[in-house]
Amino acid sequence: GQQLNQSPQSMFIQEGEDVSMNCTSSSIFNTWLWYKQDPGEGPVLLIALYKAGELTSNGRLTAQFGITRKDSFLNISASIPSDVGIYFCAGQASGNTPLVFGKGTRLSVIA
Amino acid sequence: GAGVSQSPSNKVTEKGKDVELRCDPISGHTALYWYRQSLGQGLEFLIYFQGNSAPDKSGLPSDRFSAERTGGSVSTLTIQRTQQEDSAVYLCASSRMDRPNEQFFGPGTRLTVL
Repeated sequence: GQQLNQSPQSMFIQEGEDVSMNCTSSSIFNTWLWYKQDPGEGPVLLIALYKAGELTSNGRLTAQFGITRKDSFLNISASIPSDVGIYFCAGQASGNTPLVFGKGTRLSVIA
Repeated sequence: GAGVSQSPSNKVTEKGKDVELRCDPISGHTALYWYRQSLGQGLEFLIYFQGNSAPDKSGLPSDRFSAERTGGSVSTLTIQRTQQEDSAVYLCASSRMDRPNEQFFGPGTRLTVL
């Protein structure tokens, strides 16, 4: 089945630093999404990408849909303590197929 | 309420017992999804409903797992004869029909099978 490789698995950064994480797939996706999960909560959608090459921002977050449709990255600029959590990428091959999730990147921010 | 709600938030059960997990989607969302999240892992797709029908049951791990949805709203995930490997967080999500990939998640039910 389809698999997503998400890296890094975890990151420890200083407050104010920029962060980058990415996902790669063995197959093509038509949609890429990035979610954040806080402890004890469900994932919350951050950014949705629908076109190859698309670059989308949401505040300090920027995500790109790779031109090959097999990868995506998420950047967080000027990190703050509330950015702490687990970030998941997810891909969807077509409209009615299930989302496939990466295993997550655990972000820790040191004040 | 405004978001997806799930109950119970925590469930501890003994091996071999049956459990029922409930999901209330966002009002007006026609699609509903169940996922399982094991410790330190991503989300594993279980089943998806469009209205009351389940076009995709491909993720259900065994015949001990079943789900239903009534009235196009509330859904119940049932696990029969629970096993220790069923221990996980079970997450429900819902979405609008025209935006099936923008899924809104509930807080999950943490199931522990002793």
